Amino acid sequence: QVQLQESGPGLVRPSGTLSLTCIVSGDSISSTNWWSWVRQPPGKGLEWIGEISHSGKTDYNPSLKSRVTISVDRSKNLFSLEMTSVTAADTAVYYCAKMSSGWSGFDFWGQGTLVTVSS
Amino acid sequence: DIQMTQSPSSLSASVGDRVTITCRASQTMSIYLHWYQQKPGKAPKLLINAASSLQSGVPSRFSGSGIGTDFTLTISSLQPEDFAIYYCQQTYSTPYTFGQGTNLEIK
Repeated sequence: QVQLQESGPGLVRPSGTLSLTCIVSGDSISSTNWWSWVRQPPGKGLEWIGEISHSGKTDYNPSLKSRVTISVDRSKNLFSLEMTSVTAADTAVYYCAKMSSGWSGFDFWGQGTLVTVSS
Repeated sequence: DIQMTQSPSSLSASVGDRVTITCRASQTMSIYLHWYQQKPGKAPKLLINAASSLQSGVPSRFSGSGIGTDFTLTISSLQPEDFAIYYCQQTYSTPYTFGQGTNLEIK
């Protein structure tokens, strides 16, 4: 069974950098999948941040593209999110998710991790 | 970007009711449309992918239909565990976008 687990600091200072990792088990990060980050501000809806493909190709939400980098560590079977210059508006639960194909939707999700931006 | 508009935004219903949630896309997108259920404090759960394909383990009272720009999620007979927020999502083109959600509440 595929499992995804987010980890990272729960508190980030304004103007700082948010860094999260998603450890994947039950599947290889190099298999034919796409690995995404999604966030959800408290009480609000879902926003796709970006993805990295099995080949390492990245794609980002234009609304966040200038501040976001998604990378993969194949040796550790994980992928990561970095978001720079954070503000309070970046406070959210951050999820990592797997998409097997465009038809499949996001079929596996991590449990989510709350990141608060505050001084 | 493809805008996804769900309706209604909230819905009150009773156990045993049949409910339908609609999702309209701002441009045609074949069947790259998926439905998720989210309960408080939990990650979204994929219910239906490719507009009408029921995920393994999801009860058959859930069904999806549609193609192009107009899609529906139907729950044929509401059960207590179905009260949650439902989201549609398109993966036809990036940025992938979600509907704003439909909050299904107990009447």
